[in-house]
Order: sequence, then structure tokens, then C-alpha cells
Amino acid sequence: AQTVTQSQPEMSVQEAETVTLSCTYDTSESDYYLFWYKQPPSRQMILVIRQEAYKQQNATENRFSVNFQKAAKSFSLKISDSQLGDAAMYFCAYRSSSGTYKYIFGTGTRLKVLA
Amino acid sequence: GAGVSQSPSNKVTEKGKDVELRCDPISGHTALYWYRQSLGQGLEFLIYFQGNSAPDKSGLPSDRFSAERTGGSVSTLTIQRTQQEDSAVYLCASSVTGGTSVKNIQYFGAGTRLSVL
Repeated sequence: AQTVTQSQPEMSVQEAETVTLSCTYDTSESDYYLFWYKQPPSRQMILVIRQEAYKQQNATENRFSVNFQKAAKSFSLKISDSQLGDAAMYFCAYRSSSGTYKYIFGTGTRLKVLA
Repeated sequence: GAGVSQSPSNKVTEKGKDVELRCDPISGHTALYWYRQSLGQGLEFLIYFQGNSAPDKSGLPSDRFSAERTGGSVSTLTIQRTQQEDSAVYLCASSVTGGTSVKNIQYFGAGTRLSVL
């Protein structure tokens, strides 16, 4: 069975600085997808970025980018020029390319942005 | 609708009572998922509906939990004889289909916070 691990329960970053959130996963599959979701206090999960495992190029979305290391089964999220609105819980998620396509989530990292 | 809608936003109930949680997915989305988010935990998959196919109930924690999806749209998650350990946020998500495309992203509602006293 697949598992997702986020080893940082909480992280802090100074406004305008850069922070990296860690995520590792375990799977025997070769084709899958990885996601980072943001959950602000409103509880609404918002997709931040996604990565297809067969793509070697790291995904980027404006200030957000990932470092995808398939062999190491690592999928970290880098947030550049951090803003106060980035403060939230961040969840890493794995999705198989077969089966019911349910997400397997990590336990989350709470990001605090300091003014 | 514009997004996934869940009701109620918050629900407080007494131990032993039954509760119903509602999810209205994005119009046109055929796949619907329920997850449970317990305090300090990630999201735990509960159940998945795709069109008229038999649902994947593999994540339901006990037979006190059930869900249905009427007319391929609105879904109701029912918890019978609630226990204190059922206290959590219950999140619903929908996607265009249950297919393999990376574009088939799950969109989440804001969840229902269930508190069992």
C-alpha cells in the first residue's frame, strides 16, 4: 500500500523569504501523480501544484515549485517570496494511475509566515 | 454550482445519535469522494462514487458509516450511533471523472465539522 510522509508538523518563514516543505512517499507503482494542497482556516482545500511521475521536469506555478526526485521518492514544495496569505496547512497527496484514484494524504505541515 | 457545497458547516450531536452530512458536487462531475480529517491527521479516504458503478467503500471505518449518491449528483454520508471518536471534519471532493488524466483534479468542499459530545 502507498504511504505519504510529511515529517515537518510545523514550519515558519519570514515574509518575502523562501521555505521548503518536505514530502516523501512509498509506492511500488511507476506511474502516479503527486499533489500539494493548501488548507487555510476556512478548511477549503486548494490545489497548489501537481506533478506527473513520468515527467522529469519539475512543476512550477508562479511562486510555487517542486523538487521531484522519483528515485528517492521525494516531492518537496518550495515557496518563494512568502506572503502572509501563504499561511495555512499544506498537504502532500499521492494518487495512483489505476484503481479508484483516491488521494493518499500526508499528515500535513502547518506553515506560519512571520511579518 | 460554482464549487463543491457541503452542509451543514458544523454539526454538534450527542453520542448515540445518527447524523447525515450532505455533499453537492460541482455540476457535471461524475466522481465523488468522501474523506475524514481527524485532529492532527491527514485526510483519510472513506468512499468513492463514479457514475453508476458500484461505490468503493473500502475506506469506511465501520458498518455504522454508509453513504449514498442519488441521481448521480448529491451524496449523503450517514453515521449511525455516533461515537466520540467520530468527531472530525468530513470533506467531500468531486472530479470530472475518475479517470487517470492528471487534469482530473479533485475539488474539495469546505467540509462539515462534526463534534460528538
